[in-house]
Amino acid sequence: GAVVSQHPSRVICKSGTSVKIECRSLDFQATTMFWYRQFPKQSLMLMATSNEGSKATYEQGVEKDKFLINHASLTLSTLTVTSAHPEDSSFYICSARVGEQFFGPGTRLTVL
Amino acid sequence: GQNIDQPTEMTATEGAIVQINCTYQTSGFNGLFWYQQHAGEAPTFLSYNVLDGLEEKGRFSSFLSRSKGYSYLLLKELQMKDSASYLCAVRDTAGGYNKLIFGAGTRLAVHP
Repeated sequence: GAVVSQHPSRVICKSGTSVKIECRSLDFQATTMFWYRQFPKQSLMLMATSNEGSKATYEQGVEKDKFLINHASLTLSTLTVTSAHPEDSSFYICSARVGEQFFGPGTRLTVL
Repeated sequence: GQNIDQPTEMTATEGAIVQINCTYQTSGFNGLFWYQQHAGEAPTFLSYNVLDGLEEKGRFSSFLSRSKGYSYLLLKELQMKDSASYLCAVRDTAGGYNKLIFGAGTRLAVHP
């Protein structure tokens, strides 16, 4: 199947700093990528849909100024968590669709 | 609105059969997916149903009834490695684009 990578896999940062997470489709081009967040023992919650060359579409309740999404090319989308706080600590997963939807390995963010 | 329900936890014995149910209500429907997720990892694709009926793939089968808003995942010949969370997800077409909405997941524990 298609491969989606994420970097970094794990990040620890201080409160108030910004963190950038990269999502890449390695062997296919994706005009649309999705960003999810998962808290412990909960399911994946869709945060936003990232569209190449245009603005991301955010789900209700997700602050677009806090979670900046850039889809600069057909193989790369980035999520920047700005001014991170401990409540932003979570597992962030991206996915891309080519036929079925493939998920990246996830990024574990811990904000101290 | 969107609502996807599945049991929170289930237990089963190695070698047995288990059925995980999922009911859904979405504004638009373009397929139902089942994913397996081990703790701390991204979901992996198991099955996809878009038409009514049963789809079989090795030890895993998935059933869909669109009129009832109902699906189940059937796991046969259970193995210890099948202990994981199983996520039911619906591709919702509301808003003019497809997005995958997840249920809360069912944590399955397989014991000897």
